[in-house]
Amino acid sequence: NAGVTQTPKFQVLKTGQSMTLQCAQDMNHNSMYWYRQDPGMGLRLIYYSASEGTTDKGEVPNGYNVSRLNKREFSLRLESAAPSQTSVYFCASSGQSLAKNIQYFGAGTRLSVL
Amino acid sequence: AQKITQTQPGMFVQEKEAVTLDCTYDTSDQSYGLFWYKQPSSGEMIFLIYQGSYDEQNATEGRYSLNFQKARKSANLVISASQLGDSAMYFCAMRELWMDSSYKLIFGSGTRLLVRP
Repeated sequence: NAGVTQTPKFQVLKTGQSMTLQCAQDMNHNSMYWYRQDPGMGLRLIYYSASEGTTDKGEVPNGYNVSRLNKREFSLRLESAAPSQTSVYFCASSGQSLAKNIQYFGAGTRLSVL
Repeated sequence: AQKITQTQPGMFVQEKEAVTLDCTYDTSDQSYGLFWYKQPSSGEMIFLIYQGSYDEQNATEGRYSLNFQKARKSANLVISASQLGDSAMYFCAMRELWMDSSYKLIFGSGTRLLVRP
């Protein structure tokens, strides 16, 4: 019962470095999401994918790119990391019931950009 | 724009007592959904309970219940018989239609609950 799996759990980058955050879900969900959580705040949507082959921008997409590799996997890429991208990143997925849209989250990736 | 407000940054409760975490929301939609998530110190986001705007009864999931007062636009989480493991951050969230094709969740700022032994 893995649910949503994110790797890595922790990462430290220098300004300008690039990296990809990986996310995979085993619940056969169509929709997947990337959020960021900053101290003292709730989560904000970066990108989402309503179904395999589609991706769209969320509230805070600048500085990020995503790839929906297949139905299971949705990756988030930072091409040139900036200190403002220091945050905790969460991947989530949701199933067919759009009326409820219960989203299930991974354990998060804690990213520090120095 | 939709908005979620959690006015209690932190709360204490004695073990085995009940506690209510407040959440108010603002939306002009007739159909909406409200959620509560728990975030323990380990960091993961755990779904607790869901309430649809057309649901006639308040949602319940074990020790969690949602006190839904539609006219007051409030969706308070009630935890009965608190346990030490309930110590965590709790987020209220609302479903919002995004770009006419999908939904996203908008979150409140959270309430940190500490259960005292």
